[in-house]
Amino acid sequence: QVQLKETGPGLVQPTQTLSITCTVSGFSLTSYYMQWVRQTPGKGLEWMGFIRSGGSTEYNSEFKSRLSISRDTSKNQVFLKMNSLKTEDTGVYYCARSRYRDYFDYWGQGVMVTVSS
Amino acid sequence: EIVLTQSPTTMAASPGEKVTLNCLASSSVSYMNWYQQKSGASPKLWIYGTSNLASGVPNRFSGSGSGTSYSLTISSMEAEDVATYYCLQLSSYPYTFGAGTKLELK
Repeated sequence: QVQLKETGPGLVQPTQTLSITCTVSGFSLTSYYMQWVRQTPGKGLEWMGFIRSGGSTEYNSEFKSRLSISRDTSKNQVFLKMNSLKTEDTGVYYCARSRYRDYFDYWGQGVMVTVSS
Repeated sequence: EIVLTQSPTTMAASPGEKVTLNCLASSSVSYMNWYQQKSGASPKLWIYGTSNLASGVPNRFSGSGSGTSYSLTISSMEAEDVATYYCLQLSSYPYTFGAGTKLELK
């Protein structure tokens, strides 16, 4: 069955870099887009960006200068890296899949990230 | 950026009551997706392509709309429908979510 699971650091200091891994099973990353969405107390649900089935990326300009999405298809993993973290980046980060620009059908459980010194 | 405005922000409905949740887009979108999120859980796809129910969604739910105005309707409220519902547009970048409608049981 389709499964997605995010793993990450939990606590990150301000100005540091966040790294989250989404490990998937039950489908191929070369057949689906992988999305990143976060949910923060200040802004609610926000789309961050995606990596296409072919490997190219698209980012929300809100994050473009500090966000990077990549993948390792051999390990069935997608990666999110975001630098220059601020306290407002505290929230739950989700990966989700979509076939194209249709809908996000499966989501991971999310990983809580707290940005604090 | 397309701003999605959901109304009401919060509402309480009695069992058996008909419920309508609204999502207004600042510019026309081709279709709307809806998600249900229960406390402590990930969002779940609920309605896609404006009016298609996701797998396992009870048929008391329906979706409709076009252009800038979309809605999710529950024909007869049940206790298990208590959740926050979000709309999501994928018609233009950046994809955007509404702020959600929190649905409670009266």
